Amino acid sequence: NAGVTQTPKFRILKIGQSMTLQCTQDMNHNYMYWYRQDPGMGLKLIYYSVGAGITDKGEVPNGYNVSRSTTEDFPLRLELAAPSQTSVYFCASSYSSTSSGKNIQYFGAGTRLSVL
Amino acid sequence: GESVGLHLPTLSVQEGDNSIINCAYSNSASDYFIWYKQESGKGPQFIIDIRSNMDKRQGQRVTVLLNKTVKHLSLQIAATQPGDSAVYFCAETRGATNKLIFGTGTLLAVQP
Repeated sequence: NAGVTQTPKFRILKIGQSMTLQCTQDMNHNYMYWYRQDPGMGLKLIYYSVGAGITDKGEVPNGYNVSRSTTEDFPLRLELAAPSQTSVYFCASSYSSTSSGKNIQYFGAGTRLSVL
Repeated sequence: GESVGLHLPTLSVQEGDNSIINCAYSNSASDYFIWYKQESGKGPQFIIDIRSNMDKRQGQRVTVLLNKTVKHLSLQIAATQPGDSAVYFCAETRGATNKLIFGTGTLLAVQP
């Protein structure tokens, strides 16, 4: 039972480099999310998607891009890495039901990114 | 601005005692709340949720209480165990946005 899988687990980037953080879920969830978590802080929403082909900005979208071509995958792209993007990145997914009002998000194990 | 925050950043309890972790929210329109547990080096793990039409919900060793009058949420853990040591986050959802707003977290340290 894989749930939400993120790769890589760790990465070190040089300033200006680009990379894609991968996220895939096998629960057939319609909603997917990307968060960043800085040391000692809560999670801040970067981007989210309500279904394949639909994405929207969260609280801190600058410097990031996303795409959602399939239900399962929701990659996060950093085009020009900056030291301020050093953080732990979490992907999450949920099946949001308007009838129940529930939105339990299930998280991956995270990607630790350092930009030097 | 609107926020979800926690009263205590760190809570230290003895093994076997009950723990109470508190959370304040500022938006009375919030209608769904979740508690997450995050162990070191791992992603947040769902513990329990509660809708705004409820005051109390119980799970295994955990109880969530919601006081809408004072906009306060608490997580009670019975017979706290060393494996309960983690950071606990409350989060809220407002209406149909499906976006969770997270608090900053409380570190629960269980002393043997």
